[in-house]
Amino acid sequence: DGGITQSPKYLFRKEGQNVTLSCEQNLNHDAMYWYRQDPGQGLRLIYYSQIVNDFQKGDIAEGYSVSREKKESFPLTVTSAQKNPTAFYLCASSSLVYGKPYEQYFGPGTRLTVT
Amino acid sequence: AQRVTQPEKLLSVFKGAPVELKCNYSYSGSPELFWYVQYSRQRLQLLLRHISRESIKGFTADLNKGETSFHLKKPFAQEEDSAMYYCALGDSNYQLIWGAGTKLIIKP
Repeated sequence: DGGITQSPKYLFRKEGQNVTLSCEQNLNHDAMYWYRQDPGQGLRLIYYSQIVNDFQKGDIAEGYSVSREKKESFPLTVTSAQKNPTAFYLCASSSLVYGKPYEQYFGPGTRLTVT
Repeated sequence: AQRVTQPEKLLSVFKGAPVELKCNYSYSGSPELFWYVQYSRQRLQLLLRHISRESIKGFTADLNKGETSFHLKKPFAQEEDSAMYYCALGDSNYQLIWGAGTKLIIKP
């Protein structure tokens, strides 16, 4: 699988530490997204970006931050302010060409465990 | 409020039996609906979209605006259909609103 990569696959951190999750895509997609996936809750949007140097809060942005300095990259920082950071994090991207914006391509995910 | 509801967390059927995964939505505009699938140890991926009216891997889904439903169906389940299925609704900001997902298990 190419296209969209996330690293690392597993991440362990101590409570109180910030941690940054990487997401890179080579699909030339304009839009990128970060989701949190918890059992029984589906996917919840954390942040999204439709253009370089611009991003928007999703439904659960508190305790998270992002940057979009390059079209290919959309890193997510989980800060110490996030009350329940242990989760599976998914990054996705999509083209904003007509008919395509909802066709999101997903990375393999990063499982973050904070103790 | 915009919402997607998948009432079944888990659906278990025997191989060869028909499958129907339910999805209901709430949306004030003209909906665009999708089914995504996540097979074990694979990435989440688009399965089908209502606007293309296609059949993928034997699955079909019909948008019923009267019942605000977009159920996913397959007449004869196969073991490789076992996966997590998510229904999603596209909103006016190009975002997807996701259902909670249904885990489909096909028993041999």
